[in-house]
Amino acid sequence: AQKVTQAQTEISVVEKEDVTLDCVYETRDTTYYLFWYKQPPSGELVFLIRRNSFDEQNEISGRYSWNFQKSTSSFNFTITASQVVDSAVYFCALSEEEYGNKLVFGAGTILRVKS
Amino acid sequence: DSGVTQTPKHLITATGQRVTLRCSPRSGDLSVYWYQQSLDQGLQFLIQYYNGEERAKGNILERFSAQQFPDLHSELNLSSLELGDSALYFCASNRAGAPQETQYFGPGTRLLVL
Repeated sequence: AQKVTQAQTEISVVEKEDVTLDCVYETRDTTYYLFWYKQPPSGELVFLIRRNSFDEQNEISGRYSWNFQKSTSSFNFTITASQVVDSAVYFCALSEEEYGNKLVFGAGTILRVKS
Repeated sequence: DSGVTQTPKHLITATGQRVTLRCSPRSGDLSVYWYQQSLDQGLQFLIQYYNGEERAKGNILERFSAQQFPDLHSELNLSSLELGDSALYFCASNRAGAPQETQYFGPGTRLLVL
């Protein structure tokens, strides 16, 4: 069964703190794709990153980094030196070859960054 | 700006009514997806179209229907509306509709059923 779990419902940090958002997924497929999206208060869904199941290389993009570990079925997202503009809901999502093209989303983590 | 457009931005209607949500995909994208975001169900896939044909169906109610037109824009029709249909409806698009492709989301249509 496809499932994405974001156990952290809400996280509050003070500006400049580092924060990690957890994502754990379940899949029986050997080929799958993981995504992170950001939903700022304005409501749109903004794509952040895509990772396929064959690529376990971690990625860094500016203050953002992602740690993909197949052994623990996790795809965690870290924001370094958080800023107030990072305040948003962050969603992890999964798509699989076997189950077509739909995205299965986690429940989302609300990140509040205080100044 | 993702390049996906949705109209209207907001919609307020009454129970029992019917509404149509419209989506224009990014230039060159052939596949369109519809998702519903509600407080109790989270973000849920409804339906996917590729080049005018239905490709995949998710948790879409029988009261809901969709189609993709020859110019590739899509419409989601919601009928016999209930209070529980109040939600944010997103459209997304990508080029070929393959699972490895990123889906780019529109700004959403916020539907309020009173």
